[in-house]
Amino acid sequence: QSVLTQPPSVSAAPGQTVTISCSGSSSNIGNNFVSWYQRFPGTPPKLLLYEYNERPSGIPDRFSGSRSGTSATLVITGLQTGDEADYYCGTWDSSLSAGVFGGGTKLTVL
Amino acid sequence: EVQLVESGGGLVQPGGSLRLSCVVSGFTFSDHYMDWVRQAPGKGLEWIGRSRNKAINYSTEYAASVKGRFTISRDDSKKSLYLYMNNLKTEDTAVYYCAKGYCSGRSCYSGLGYWGQGTLVTVSS
Repeated sequence: QSVLTQPPSVSAAPGQTVTISCSGSSSNIGNNFVSWYQRFPGTPPKLLLYEYNERPSGIPDRFSGSRSGTSATLVITGLQTGDEADYYCGTWDSSLSAGVFGGGTKLTVL
Repeated sequence: EVQLVESGGGLVQPGGSLRLSCVVSGFTFSDHYMDWVRQAPGKGLEWIGRSRNKAINYSTEYAASVKGRFTISRDDSKKSLYLYMNNLKTEDTAVYYCAKGYCSGRSCYSGLGYWGQGTLVTVSS
């Protein structure tokens, strides 16, 4: 069981907006920055967002994030078929003194 | 350009040992902490451990699942990070990645912005 909880799957049509949630606790999301990653099969993860809502260079503004209490959310607007991938949230857990990831969410663009 | 290249993966029997290496370029290795992350077949990402930088005395942290069996070390002179894996179990079968925090300008952040291509470790008899 992952320390961070994500829905196993989400789906939406091209052009629509999808949200992916990531639920944790005060020892992780509640007090540490959250990052989001995109992973296509056979490739290393790609950083989408860091510090909740900051985008590395080259990441389009269709990707955004937020945090409320001990939960974080990834929002993808203007869905494209190329967005079909697995998405992971990650952060540090101060109680465990360890990095933690969510179990991952598979996004299907219908 | 930041590059991370892992090596050392392969087939090993349960109870065996293996050493993974991650050679980096494109940044001042000694200034940065480095993580190991793995992904088992059909599973999600799992953080394994961290090697902090020289300024923090190269301290390390480990996931509970590997603590006592895995050891992370680094050689700044060789710009290399290592993962020593002992008493390997079938559930350690995974692609192992080394990764570092994303940096923009002179600032670096907690998000893992740079990853190697990974090296596959298969634990099987």
